[in-house]
Formats: sequence, C-alpha cells, structure tokens
Amino acid sequence: AQSVTQLGSHVSVSEGALVLLRCNYSSSVPPYLFWYVQYPNQGLQLLLKYTTGATLVKGINGFEAEFKKSETSFHLTKPSAHMSDAAEYFCAVSGHLNQAGTALIFGKGTTLSVSS
Amino acid sequence: DTAVSQTPKYLVTQMGNDKSIKCEQNLGHDTMYWYKQDSKKFLKIMFSYNNKELIINETVPNRFSPKSPDKAHLNLHINSLELGDSAVYFCASSQESKALRQIYQETQYFGPGTRLLVL
Repeated sequence: AQSVTQLGSHVSVSEGALVLLRCNYSSSVPPYLFWYVQYPNQGLQLLLKYTTGATLVKGINGFEAEFKKSETSFHLTKPSAHMSDAAEYFCAVSGHLNQAGTALIFGKGTTLSVSS
Repeated sequence: DTAVSQTPKYLVTQMGNDKSIKCEQNLGHDTMYWYKQDSKKFLKIMFSYNNKELIINETVPNRFSPKSPDKAHLNLHINSLELGDSAVYFCASSQESKALRQIYQETQYFGPGTRLLVL
C-alpha cells in the first residue's frame, strides 16, 4: 500500500527566504510522486511530478523537488519565497501502477505562510 | 476554456435532501475521479471511472452514487444528505497511457471544487 507523510502542517517563511516543504512516502512499487498547490477557495493545480528518469524535477513558479529513493523523500523547495506562494501544498503518490483509474494518495497538506 | 468544470460551485441544503454535482472535462481524457476534501483539508478518493467503467469505489456510503453517461462527464448524486457530508468535492480527470504492456497514470487535472454545506 502507498502512503504519504508531510512533516509540518504549517510552515512560515519571510519573503525572499528559502521554502522547504517535506514529504516522505511509502510505496511497494516504484512511485509516481506529485506536488499540488491549492490557493484559497480554488481547486488543485499541479506544481510538478516525478515519474522516471531525472530525480531533480523542476516545476512551475520556481519550485523544484528531488526524488531520493534511499530516503523515500520528495521534498519541495523554492530558493526565494514570494507573497503569492502562500497556499496549501499537497504531496501525493499514485496508488497502484498498471491499473487504470488508480487514485492519488495525498498527504495531509502543509500550509505555507509568507510574511513581508 | 476550463479544462475540468463542476457545477454548482456552492451548494447549501438541508439534511435529508437529495442533490447532484456535475463534472465535465474537455481534455479528451478517459479516466475521471471524485475526491472528497474534509474540513481539515484532507483529500481522499471516492470513485474513479475509466471509459465509463467504475474502477474504484472506496468505502463510501451507498447514498453516494456516481454516474458516467460518457467519457467526458462524471456526476455525483447524493441521497438523504447528512451533516457529515459537508465538504468540498473535487472532480478530476487523467489520461491513461500504455507502453510495453504497462499502464501509466498521467497527471490528474482537478476541477475548482463544489463546496457542499448541509444544515
């Protein structure tokens, strides 16, 4: 079975500071990993994803994440936070591969606050 | 053009009522999903359909009945609404791809959500 743990339900940074949101996963098969962002009262938007290949994945809005198999981690980073980055961030892992309609298993989310 | 749309965006209703939420995607995807986000923002799969066939049916009360009239639509009907059904319901879609006899899940695209409040 797959599961996701997001360490820290709330992260606060200053504008211009490094953003680090932590995600660890558990998967019995090679995982597909995703980071989604949710702005207030909106749907989920894909930031980036890892499937196979290069372990450092670049996404939208300057975010990137690195897949580390040995640490079962997929932490999300951004070198310099912007006020507009304040949102809820979800890490997710695919359910079962090789099965149509497989679900995403989500972490509990991390609220990112950015202060000026 | 909105890729995945849901109607209504907000739904306020009384306990015991029956209501429906509609979802449409114009991405040409063959797989659609319903997720529930509770008050603590935890997201959990409810149903998934692939080519109009039910694939995932999690432990959801049978008061919830999904229907997929075609690949572009997945509706959710809820009977006898209860207070605990209050949540945000998200529709999503994706396209399965196949290579070397493996099925690979592509990115899931989410709708804007339907905020259901049961009084």
